[in-house]
Parts: sequence; C-alpha cells; structure tokens
Amino acid sequence: QVQLVQSGAEVKKPGASVKVSCKASGYRFIDYYFHWVRQAPGQGLEWMGWINPDSGGTHYVQKFQGRVTMTSDTSISTVYMELSTLKSDDTAVYFCARARAFGAGSSLPAYWGQGTLVTVSS
Amino acid sequence: QSVLTQPPSVSAAPGQKVTISCSGSSSNVGNNHISWYQQLPGTAPKLVMYDNNRRPSGIPDRFSGSKSGTSATLGITGLQTGDEADYYCGTWDSGLSAGVFGGGTKLTVL
Repeated sequence: QVQLVQSGAEVKKPGASVKVSCKASGYRFIDYYFHWVRQAPGQGLEWMGWINPDSGGTHYVQKFQGRVTMTSDTSISTVYMELSTLKSDDTAVYFCARARAFGAGSSLPAYWGQGTLVTVSS
Repeated sequence: QSVLTQPPSVSAAPGQKVTISCSGSSSNVGNNHISWYQQLPGTAPKLVMYDNNRRPSGIPDRFSGSKSGTSATLGITGLQTGDEADYYCGTWDSGLSAGVFGGGTKLTVL
C-alpha cells in the first residue's frame, strides 16, 4: 500500500530555512507527481506547488516563488521541500501528498503524508 | 480568502443526510475535476471523492458527489458520529495554474 512518511517537527527562528523530507513506498516512485500543501493553525489547506520526481521539474505557486525549493532523490524514493527566509506566519503543518493520476501535475492528491509541524519563533 | 467557497459549517442528526457545497469559477470547478477530502482533528486529509463523483476504494456508498457548472456538492447519508470532521473541496485552477482548495466545512453530527 502507498505510504508517505515525513520528517519530524522543526522549530526555526525567523530568517532561517527549513527542509522537510517525505519518503514514499508501496508503488513506483517516479510515476506520480508530488504536491506540497500547508495548513496554518486552525486554517484551511494551502497548495504550494508540485514536483515531478522523475525529471525534477517543479511548479510553484507565485506566493512562494523565490523562497521554496522542491527536490527529489530517486535513489531513496524521497522528495524534499525547503522553505527559506522563514517568517512567523510560515508556522504551519506541511504535508507532502502524491497525485492520484499517473504523470499529471494537475491531478490533485490521493495519498498524504502525516504532516510536519514547522514552528517559526524567535 | 480561498478561491473555492464552502459554507463554514453544516450539521445534522445521526442517520440523516447532509450536503456540502463548493462554488468556484470556469477556470477551476467549471472545467476541472473536483476532489473532496475529509480531515479528522489532528490528522492528514483523506480523499473521499475524486473526479467529481468517484469514490476511492474503502469509502462507503453513503458518500456521493456531483457537479453542475461552477458548483460541486458532497453528500453524506446515514450520518454517523465518525463522520464529524472538516471537509475540503479541491481542484486545479487552469488560470492560476495552481491547485486550489475551499476554506473547509466543519460537519457536526448532533
């Protein structure tokens, strides 16, 4: 069965960077895009972008362009999301999620990681 | 401000039926498939409907989905206390070239 396991909670100071990992198993890693979605405390879901784990191609929502970098390591079936120049309002749970349909970045998620809480505080 | 509009809350008694609406525009709901997610407190979202009206394996047929124009609806019949959760609609927005979600609807089973 498809499983996505994310790295543990992080506490960062404003201005720092954070890198969250997401290890996939249970299917062929390169066949499906990954999305990153975040959820601030008590708020809704916010889509950040996707990565094609095979080619490494990425597409970020304009709000995060210049601050977010998504990467893939096919040798260990893991994708990463790095967010830089952190601010207090970046405090959120960050989810990786695998697209439902084969080979399509516009296919919304079917499987989700457990989430990684990133707290930004001085 | 979410791109897709959902009611903040809905409620109904156990055994009853509830519907949750999701409204958008021609660049998102009107021309792309809708997914619905159930999020229990403190957990990750779970897909309960995709391609407007298709249920993933393991989702009971008490859950149904529909779409008409720029609006979509999730229906749940035979409500159970375990259905209490936040529900989100989501789709691709061709104009923004981005995934978009509704603000979420809190379902209370009275």
